[in-house]
Amino acid sequence: AQTVTQSQPEMSVQEAETVTLSCTYDTSESDYYLFWYKQPPSRQMILVIRQEAYKQQNATENRFSVNFQKAAKSFSLKISDSQLGDAAMYFCAYPGRSGGGADGLTFGKGTHLIIQP
Amino acid sequence: EADIYQTPRYLVIGTGKKITLECSQTMGHDKMYWYQQDPGMELHLIHYSYGVNSTEKGDLSSESTVSRIRTEHFPLTLESARPSHTSQYLCASSEGPAQETQYFGPGTRLLVL
Repeated sequence: AQTVTQSQPEMSVQEAETVTLSCTYDTSESDYYLFWYKQPPSRQMILVIRQEAYKQQNATENRFSVNFQKAAKSFSLKISDSQLGDAAMYFCAYPGRSGGGADGLTFGKGTHLIIQP
Repeated sequence: EADIYQTPRYLVIGTGKKITLECSQTMGHDKMYWYQQDPGMELHLIHYSYGVNSTEKGDLSSESTVSRIRTEHFPLTLESARPSHTSQYLCASSEGPAQETQYFGPGTRLLVL
């Protein structure tokens, strides 16, 4: 069974600074994907970044990058040059269900990111 | 933003009423999902579908039911709403395998009095 853990319920960062959101997961699979989703207040959940476990290189999307440590089962998200529009709930997710089965996503509990102007 | 829509966006209803939350997508995706997001923001899969006439229950037990008569449409029904059903309901779709990105609708915030 898959589990996803986000240990930071809330993080605060000054605008233009860098912040790292933590995520750990547990799986018995060797090949899988991991996701970070962003849910702005009252807006749709959108994909921020995706990592393929078999790839050594960490994924990067503009100001967003991940630090993927497969052996440690760690998947943190780094946001550089934080902007006010980055304020949102961030969810780490694993494709698969906590009760078994490959469909759907198992989400962490989320990290509420606050950007201080 | 993705082409996936949910109506209504907000709903306040009394206990015992029957409600249907609508979800539609114009991307032609076979897979669709319903997630329940509790007030603490945790998300749990309650239903999913592989395609037309396919529906399955997710990890979180739910008294709701779903149907998939058309590819683009995946409504969720509560036969008798209760205060414990108060939550946000998110619909999502994806193109294919589990590793594919899921696209989410804007959600329906349900309050049952």
